[in-house]
Amino acid sequence: QLQLQESGPGLVRPSETLSLSCSVSGISISTSPFYWAWIRQSPGKGLQWLGTISYSGSPLYNPTLKSRLTMSRDTSKNQFSLNLTSVTAADTAVYFCARADTMIKDFDYWGQGALVTVSS
Amino acid sequence: NFLLTQPHSVSGSPGKTVTISCTRSSGNIANNFVQWYQQRPDSAPTTVIYEDDQRPSGVPDRFSGSIDSSSNSASLTISGLRTDDEADYYCQSYDSSTHVVFGGGTKLTVL
Repeated sequence: QLQLQESGPGLVRPSETLSLSCSVSGISISTSPFYWAWIRQSPGKGLQWLGTISYSGSPLYNPTLKSRLTMSRDTSKNQFSLNLTSVTAADTAVYFCARADTMIKDFDYWGQGALVTVSS
Repeated sequence: NFLLTQPHSVSGSPGKTVTISCTRSSGNIANNFVQWYQQRPDSAPTTVIYEDDQRPSGVPDRFSGSIDSSSNSASLTISGLRTDDEADYYCQSYDSSTHVVFGGGTKLTVL
């Protein structure tokens, strides 16, 4: 059974870096042709794609966040991660990790989501 | 890049049919697959339609998707409305660089 689980601090100070990890069980994140994504949802708002990292480790970022965003992976832990720098209150959101079966298909598996609040 | 525009809300009565539109601002809607997600409160989204008109296993055939090039839009149609269809629905596609784009979401109310 494929499962994704987000983890990380629930509170981040303004101007600091938001770091989250997604632990994947049931499949190796290096398995072709799967892609692994971060998607967030601000309170009461819609979904925003942040970025995707491929089975080979190549990242693709939302152009509006590219200057602040880094995605990486640790294949030994079967995890992929998100670092978002210089956060503001606008980055307060539920952060989901998700899987896509190829780059152009739907996100078929999602984590439960992790609420991150940016506040001093 | 482009935008996907959805109505903020739609409503319908149990047993009736509703359609949610998703209009692409630029570029041909038919060039890139459209997906539809259902999101209930405090839950992650789940796919109800992928690749324009395909249903994942377990999604009832009351859910259908289509593309209309003349209006450059995609549509999600839900027939035989049930109270548990009440949720937010999001369309999603991607651009030529495979950047993912979500619509703003539509709140479906079953009256």
